[in-house]
Amino acid sequence: QVTLRESGPALVKPTQTLTLTCTFSGFSLSTSGMCVSWVRQPPGKALEWLALIDWDDDKYYSTSLKTRLTISKDTSKNQVVLTMTNMDPVDTATYYCARIRRSRDGGYYFDYWGQGTLVTVSS
Amino acid sequence: EIVLTQSPATLSLSPGERATLSCRASQSVSSYLAWYQQKPGQAPRLLIYDASNRATGIPARFSGSGSGTDFTLTISSLEPEDFAVYYCQQRSNWPPGYTFGQGTKLEIK
Repeated sequence: QVTLRESGPALVKPTQTLTLTCTFSGFSLSTSGMCVSWVRQPPGKALEWLALIDWDDDKYYSTSLKTRLTISKDTSKNQVVLTMTNMDPVDTATYYCARIRRSRDGGYYFDYWGQGTLVTVSS
Repeated sequence: EIVLTQSPATLSLSPGERATLSCRASQSVSSYLAWYQQKPGQAPRLLIYDASNRATGIPARFSGSGSGTDFTLTISSLEPEDFAVYYCQQRSNWPPGYTFGQGTKLEIK
């Protein structure tokens, strides 16, 4: 059974750095083809992809946010960590981690999601 | 960067009716498109991948079609639990990344 769970602070101040941890089970990020990603959703708005890390430690970031994001993994702990620097009130959102699955035909999709964690940026 | 545009923004229908949701890509994504359902307070759930394949456990009333730039999600006969927000999603090879549409809210009429 695949599960993912996000953890981190519920409240951060402007200019601070946010650190979120995704703890997962039911699969290994050392298995070829496996990826874990972060997606966020401001209240009442659409989903926005942030970053992903794959089994080979390759990392990819949203073009608009890449200067602020760092993603890493600890395979032994089954964890993926996302840091986002210089937080602003517009970064207030629910942050999800999700597993990415490669389909037989070569597409990539988010097949399992955590429940999300709401992060509010306010002084 | 590929942009996904969903229409309509809101769709008001009654249980038992047929729902047709559209997703248009700014350039071809072949058949590499997915649909997700999101209910209030919940994470998105994968419904359809590779444009037309139902994910595990998804009822047969959900179907997807299309290729290239125009895609459709059809719910053949709406159940009360189907009223939610639906997103389409694609993956770009370059720059590598993922994009979502802005969503279609399916509400009870």
